[in-house]
Amino acid sequence: DAGVIQSPRHEVTEMGQEVTLRCKPISGHNSLFWYRQTMMRGLELLIYFNNNVPIDDSGMPEDRFSAKMPNASFSTLKIQPSEPRDSAVYFCASSSEGTHLDTQYFGPGTRLTVL
Amino acid sequence: QKEVEQNSGPLSVPEGAIASLNCTYSDRGSQSFFWYRQYSGKSPELIMFIYSNGDKEDGRFTAQLNKASQYVSLLIRDSQPSDSATYLCAWRGSGGGADGLTFGKGTHLIIQP
Repeated sequence: DAGVIQSPRHEVTEMGQEVTLRCKPISGHNSLFWYRQTMMRGLELLIYFNNNVPIDDSGMPEDRFSAKMPNASFSTLKIQPSEPRDSAVYFCASSSEGTHLDTQYFGPGTRLTVL
Repeated sequence: QKEVEQNSGPLSVPEGAIASLNCTYSDRGSQSFFWYRQYSGKSPELIMFIYSNGDKEDGRFTAQLNKASQYVSLLIRDSQPSDSATYLCAWRGSGGGADGLTFGKGTHLIIQP
């Protein structure tokens, strides 16, 4: 099993540019989560999908952030326009839908730096 | 505001000793609790989960849950240098398996050889 795949692993961009982060969940998993990790705020849930449908996007910081899941194998997190305060490590995680004990498996993360 | 509180550390423990990591949470609706380990520059990986009051043991790891006190802990016996990492406590509400996790900021654990 390849695990959760994220790309790119590192992204450096300038303020105002559009950034797109990509995620491929583990095959067969029904739920996908986007998290952001910073030193100040720790690991925060941004949005999650169940069966490709966004369930809760209350963690998305503002309208500059958007996420899509066009099919069960792919999701994107887009930031437009990017700002220096968006610099963080963005993790994608997936789990199989079921009980409250389901394990979330994390991808390697994308380290985003906005200059 | 749903929160998870952890002592950020660093917590320094001699090799071979017991490391004790603690976490408190604010939401009485919390149903299940997870301990993740994160090495520097890596992604979080699950160590244990617990949902019933009491202790749950897995190898050198023991998770303890007290819902009345809104307290969950992780004990690591016979600590090894490879246990040096940041340990994240997380909880999930009663919404079911598809809910996202609320994480604490983590405790940085250092095992001294």
